[in-house]
Amino acid sequence: GAVVSQHPSRVICKSGTSVKIECRSLDFQATTMFWYRQFPKKSLMLMATSNEGSKATYEQGVEKDKFLINHASLTLSTLTVTSAHPEDSSFYICSASPYQSPYEQYFGPGTRLTVT
Amino acid sequence: GNSVTQMEGPVTLSEEAFLTINCTYTATGYPSLFWYVQYPGEGLQLLLKATKADDKGSNKGFEATYRKETTSFHLEKGSVQVSDSAVYFCALTPNSGGYNKLIFGAGTRLAVHP
Repeated sequence: GAVVSQHPSRVICKSGTSVKIECRSLDFQATTMFWYRQFPKKSLMLMATSNEGSKATYEQGVEKDKFLINHASLTLSTLTVTSAHPEDSSFYICSASPYQSPYEQYFGPGTRLTVT
Repeated sequence: GNSVTQMEGPVTLSEEAFLTINCTYTATGYPSLFWYVQYPGEGLQLLLKATKADDKGSNKGFEATYRKETTSFHLEKGSVQVSDSAVYFCALTPNSGGYNKLIFGAGTRLAVHP
């Protein structure tokens, strides 16, 4: 149980285009979903926290107009990187917390974004 | 504030060696503690957890004990395998006021050689 999927697993896009990444909790309802960014050989950096039906809460220094988060249902959250640039290339990981155990997070497999 | 400090890697061991990865934390209140493992090119997997003092988390031969007196949660395994090669992250959740953000350590890379 407690499986989280992400799609796509890898994406290459051209500079200036937008990319959408989906995060789904497959076998549980998630009150909260999180988006992280991981640079090579570094730890995870929390970008934002989203609750179903409400606006995401962004961490300091994360541009909300660049990284659009939509948590449309209890099983789906999306991250859209708008007008992507090469410096946005990174590994993006989502996680989800079940409503029964809000202090636990289950992670997706990650999405490798490369902007050329 | 809340923070997690891990020993710097990489840690390089021979197969069947004993593993210790140190983790200490600072937190207000009574945090839950976690170890996550990340295999190359993948997301994070929960390895084990402990939610209160003196709890021992264990999984796949790995163990860690929540030591409140030393604010530590060191990861140990008696005999590592090549397949254990990965990056290990210590993390905490403060468990206060509905605040459920995970705070991660920097990660420790483990390389196990045959």
